[in-house]
Amino acid sequence: QKEVEQNSGPLSVPEGAIASLNCTYSDRVSQSFFWYRQYSGKSPELIMSIYSNGDKEDGRFTAQLNKASQYVSLLIRDSQPSDSATYLCAVNEDTGRRALTFGSGTRLQVQP
Amino acid sequence: SQTIHQWPATLVQPVGSPLSLECTVEGTSNPNLYWYRQAAGRGLQLLFYSIGIDQISSEVPQNLSASRPQDRQFILSSKKLLLSDSGFYLCAWSVRGGAEKLFFGSGTQLSVL
Repeated sequence: QKEVEQNSGPLSVPEGAIASLNCTYSDRVSQSFFWYRQYSGKSPELIMSIYSNGDKEDGRFTAQLNKASQYVSLLIRDSQPSDSATYLCAVNEDTGRRALTFGSGTRLQVQP
Repeated sequence: SQTIHQWPATLVQPVGSPLSLECTVEGTSNPNLYWYRQAAGRGLQLLFYSIGIDQISSEVPQNLSASRPQDRQFILSSKKLLLSDSGFYLCAWSVRGGAEKLFFGSGTQLSVL
């Protein structure tokens, strides 16, 4: 079964630091990769998408993709307490299934 | 702009009772529609997805079913709920033929007692 793996955490970082979240996936043909943020009791919110190898920056967020190593990461610069949430990695396996496979998420705690 | 509505927000049901959760999307046509379930502290499990009216794929054998009576309406049902059906149910949509970015509704927290 195709899998998306994330460390469950919690990952604790001090305010202002860089938070680094990692994700590995098993299906080599995967084409599209997404990071969602989920606050407790709320639905996931899309924060980043990445489709090609390298870095993609959007404000304080940088997504990094390495298809050869089958990992995708999310960096959050200048972490704020409001960034405390669970971050879900999602992969489109491009099998015609037309659905995303999600990791179980990494819980991030930003300490003020 | 596109919006997705999902209701109810919370639901407490006894074991063996029926279930109906509804989701509608506005501001787009021919969307792909999805039902996911999230158990406490767990990731999202795909239950059903639909690429069109009466075109529904089931991912996990279970006592749940889905229907799409209209292009932008997706319904999740059960005739008899089990304790294991408890969880956070999420409806989502994506642009058909797109890169499958999913946009989620606000979710339904279902507790089966």
